[in-house]
Amino acid sequence: DVKVTQSSRYLVKRTGEKVFLECVQDMDHENMFWYRQDPGLGLRLIYFSYDVKMKEKGDIPEGYSVSREKKERFSLILESASTNQTSMYLCASSLLTTGTGSTDTQYFGPGTRLTVL
Amino acid sequence: QQPVQSPQAVILREGEDAVINCSSSKALYSVHWYRQKHGEAPVFLMILLKGGEQKGHEKISASFNEKKQQSSLYLTASQLSYSGTYFCGTEERAGGTSYGKLTFGQGTILTVHP
Repeated sequence: DVKVTQSSRYLVKRTGEKVFLECVQDMDHENMFWYRQDPGLGLRLIYFSYDVKMKEKGDIPEGYSVSREKKERFSLILESASTNQTSMYLCASSLLTTGTGSTDTQYFGPGTRLTVL
Repeated sequence: QQPVQSPQAVILREGEDAVINCSSSKALYSVHWYRQKHGEAPVFLMILLKGGEQKGHEKISASFNEKKQQSSLYLTASQLSYSGTYFCGTEERAGGTSYGKLTFGQGTILTVHP
């Protein structure tokens, strides 16, 4: 089975701190994604990556950056945490499909609930 | 822009049916459906492709109307285990690969009571 793990289930940080959220997948997937989940807003894409050292902005990248130095690991960085970044953060991964085939299923990690005080 | 799901919430008794809709303003290549139980990660249910191909779950079915850019998820003879939040994720392929990028709706909360 595909396994996506996230470094923490719960995290409490102070405003202005630099925050690192780590995600690791064990299925050699090319694609990795970071979402934030807020009530009534669903899952919103922050950043994604389709290869090592490659990154693309999602729909809400402001205030975040990412790093992908190894294929299995994708990190989300909050350079200076703010209270409006209090949220549930979900990481996901999928295979890179080409041609006319369907996009592969995304496999999600358990999430990190981040509280910024 | 996120696809719009309706209804936002639905309450059922065991054995009843439900339909959840997902509507986009963009031309879609595929629609993916996920279910998330409280405190857990979203789990894949079904993919619907442009052209009608469908893959999915044995007791849950779905449709994809390419002309209207709408998808519907049909849950029949609901069970307690169907409770959770359902998300649709839409894929666009404007000129090649999408790199697996999905845009998710805001979710539909389904509650099944005994």
